[in-house]
Amino acid sequence: AQSVTQLGSHVSVSEGALVLLRCNYSSSVPPYLFWYVQYPNQGLQLLLKYTSAATLVKGINGFEAEFKKSETSFHLTKPSAHMSDAAEYFCAVSTRMDTGRRALTFGSGTRLQVQP
Amino acid sequence: EPEVTQTPSHQVTQMGQEVILRCVPISNHLYFYWYRQILGQKVEFLVSFYNNEISEKSEIFDDQFSVERPDGSNFTLKIRSTKLEDSAMYFCASVAGAGGNEQFFGPGTRLTVL
Repeated sequence: AQSVTQLGSHVSVSEGALVLLRCNYSSSVPPYLFWYVQYPNQGLQLLLKYTSAATLVKGINGFEAEFKKSETSFHLTKPSAHMSDAAEYFCAVSTRMDTGRRALTFGSGTRLQVQP
Repeated sequence: EPEVTQTPSHQVTQMGQEVILRCVPISNHLYFYWYRQILGQKVEFLVSFYNNEISEKSEIFDDQFSVERPDGSNFTLKIRSTKLEDSAMYFCASVAGAGGNEQFFGPGTRLTVL
């Protein structure tokens, strides 16, 4: 079984401030981990992914995330928030198994607001 | 850049009617998925499809739902008799192959059941 917990349904930061969105996962096998972003009335866009290579993963738009096995965490960060970062962010886990068992389990999402 | 497409973007239907949501996955992809997102809630897995059969489904995917890959390009989700609670955004996704791990999502179809 796999699950994802995102702490904080809403996060508000000032423009230029650090962004930290928290994600903890539970998986019985080594996981693949993902962060997706969803802008209003749009689909899901992949920000970055962890697939057992480097534990610090860099993604698009200046975001990065660090896989910490001991803490079962995959928090998303960005050093300096921009107004265009305002969106809903979803953490997701997919177990690394054979064909078929690749469904993503999503967290409940964190809505990021960026204040001018 | 190849992308997943979905039609229609918005479907309005009456309760009890059948709807078919259509998806065109990326052409060389082998694994296909449907997810849904009820307004204000998280994205939920419905079903995965590989080699012309369902490989996994969630408890949401009951007998009212079915999926089909009628030809080499389309991947459809049918809801046989829609309920009010089926109103949601439905996303299709595809993955390249056994070594692939990134799911590419379509823009979604917003289904409104009246």
